[in-house]
Amino acid sequence: EAGVAQSPRYKIIEKRQSVAFWCNPISGHATLYWYQQILGQGPKLLIQFQNNGVVDDSQLPKDRFSAERLKGVDSTLKIQPAKLEDSAVYLCASSLMTAMNTEAFFGQGTRLTVV
Amino acid sequence: QKEVEQNSGPLSVPEGAIASLNCTYSDRVSQSFFWYRQYSGKSPELIMSIYSNGDKEDGRFTAQLNKASQYVSLLIRDSQPSDSATYLCAVDMDSNYQLIWGAGTKLIIKP
Repeated sequence: EAGVAQSPRYKIIEKRQSVAFWCNPISGHATLYWYQQILGQGPKLLIQFQNNGVVDDSQLPKDRFSAERLKGVDSTLKIQPAKLEDSAVYLCASSLMTAMNTEAFFGQGTRLTVV
Repeated sequence: QKEVEQNSGPLSVPEGAIASLNCTYSDRVSQSFFWYRQYSGKSPELIMSIYSNGDKEDGRFTAQLNKASQYVSLLIRDSQPSDSATYLCAVDMDSNYQLIWGAGTKLIIKP
């Protein structure tokens, strides 16, 4: 079974530029998460999708971040314009989300450096 | 405010000993609990899930859940240097499949 795919693996941009990340979840996983992880901290949820609907985006800085999940499969996360404090690893995870199957599986992440 | 608390460490354990990692959570109605291991520069990977009170064993790993006291722990027996990593606790607090994460405990196994 293929895992969660993310691209790119690394990205360096200047502040005020825009950037987009892509995620392809495990086949059949209805729930998709985007997390931001700053060095030394646990993952911080940015947005959670259930199929193509948003379950939680309360911690997404909506003035600069946006995300979409087309047809309930792939997802993109965009930052525009980027700030220095956006430097972090952006993790995509997916979950089958049945009553006893709520584990989340992570992609390799995208390491973003804003200079 | 729903919270998951972990001691950030580092927790240093000699090789071959038992490593004990603890996690407390704030929401009494939480149903699902997970331990993830994260090596430096890598993504978290699931190592244990537990849903009911008591112990759950998988190889050298044992997860322990006590819902009355609102804590979940992870024991690693016969610790190996390859177990050195950050261990993240995640809790599904409201059964809406929204995981709340602890900041992680850094574990160092000394040869």
